[in-house]
Amino acid sequence: QKEVEQNSGPLSVPEGAIASLNCTYSDRVSQSFFWYRQYSGKSPELIMSIYSNGDKEDGRFTAQLNKASQYVSLLIRDSQPSDSATYLCAPGAGGSYIPTFGRGTSLIVHP
Amino acid sequence: GAVVSQHPSWVICKSGTSVKIECRSLDFQATTMFWYRQFPKQSLMLMATSNEGSKATYEQGVEKDKFLINHASLTLSTLTVTSAHPEDSSFYICSASRDRGTSGILFGPGTRLTVT
Repeated sequence: QKEVEQNSGPLSVPEGAIASLNCTYSDRVSQSFFWYRQYSGKSPELIMSIYSNGDKEDGRFTAQLNKASQYVSLLIRDSQPSDSATYLCAPGAGGSYIPTFGRGTSLIVHP
Repeated sequence: GAVVSQHPSWVICKSGTSVKIECRSLDFQATTMFWYRQFPKQSLMLMATSNEGSKATYEQGVEKDKFLINHASLTLSTLTVTSAHPEDSSFYICSASRDRGTSGILFGPGTRLTVT
């Protein structure tokens, strides 16, 4: 199984700030990464995907991937209280694909 | 767009009874479906991987005779919790992959099971 590590947090940021969520992984085969957001009591939803080194921006979200360092991050600009959730990172397909998740990082955006 | 539905969204049953949860992929064919269980404030625990037309692959520690998974078609997988007990009360979530995870997986809304 592919191992990912995230700081479980909680990460607390004020409204309007940049929230930085980080993830390291141990599997060198993975070519893509995904970020999922899970609100309390709800199932996860896919919010970002990144397939190559560098940055990928989508609205207020930017995913960053550094394959050499086996590091992936998610930046949330202009954080809003509605961004308060647990964020999960997961590697993508590579060989036998079995998506497993860690505990994720809990983000709290306070007004 | 591609959506995964799950039914029922919540269910309460008595100890010893069985409960069936349905997971459907809408507008796409799911090559693989995954079943997870999540206890409060815990991480998603993968229970089993289900491929259409073949037996499910269960994770270590998950009783296959208790959690029956059937993947009858490319759009439907079911999880049956047999002889449910209060410790089976949890949030059960299915997910589906269209392309072996190349574009990530889509999650259903989950089923909250309470066994009394």
